[in-house]
Amino acid sequence: GEDVEQSLFLSVREGDSSVINCTYTDSSSTYLYWYKQEPGAGLQLLTYIFSNMDMKQDQRLTVLLNKKDKHLSLRIADTQTGDSAIYFCAGRGDYKLSFGAGTTVTVRA
Amino acid sequence: DTGVSQNPRHKITKRGQNVTFRCDPISEHNRLYWYRQTLGQGPEFLTYFQNEAQLEKSRLLSDRFSAERPKGSFSTLEIQRTEQGDSAMYLCASTLAADDTEAFFGQGTRLTVV
Repeated sequence: GEDVEQSLFLSVREGDSSVINCTYTDSSSTYLYWYKQEPGAGLQLLTYIFSNMDMKQDQRLTVLLNKKDKHLSLRIADTQTGDSAIYFCAGRGDYKLSFGAGTTVTVRA
Repeated sequence: DTGVSQNPRHKITKRGQNVTFRCDPISEHNRLYWYRQTLGQGPEFLTYFQNEAQLEKSRLLSDRFSAERPKGSFSTLEIQRTEQGDSAMYLCASTLAADDTEAFFGQGTRLTVV
């Protein structure tokens, strides 16, 4: 299976950009995902990138993929208080997802 | 259709009791997945179904766990003789087999074994 690692915590000021980083081990992952989880809730799919792409932008979200280094990042522009949550990076090979432990993002005023 | 639905949202049970959770996927989705998430960790794959067929089970799914999807629609996950280590959030997700790029998750069932 895939090993996925993320930094555990990130604190960011409201209005600044947040960058969440993730590394993965399985180069055969076909898709890489970012999910958001608010307290006590399930996972919300934010965005994903196909393994043959380098970048994907979706409104305030930008995903960068460096296949050589097996590094994935999620940039959130103009971070808002509603962005405070746990963010999970996940890789998918055939059908199942392998998740990192999550990065807790705290947005401070 | 408002998405993947899981019931109950919370369950507190005494050690040794049996519990059953239900997942209703998005109606046209024929693949259904169960994951388990313990505190401070990401979800871990337990099992998945395509229609009514259970196609893979993780080694995390001990003999005390059984999952079914009898008519290829909703699924149940039963845990027999619960242990404190079973305390976790149990998450269900669904996708279309023809295009399973996007997995949509339910709100989860939080199990606490006391």
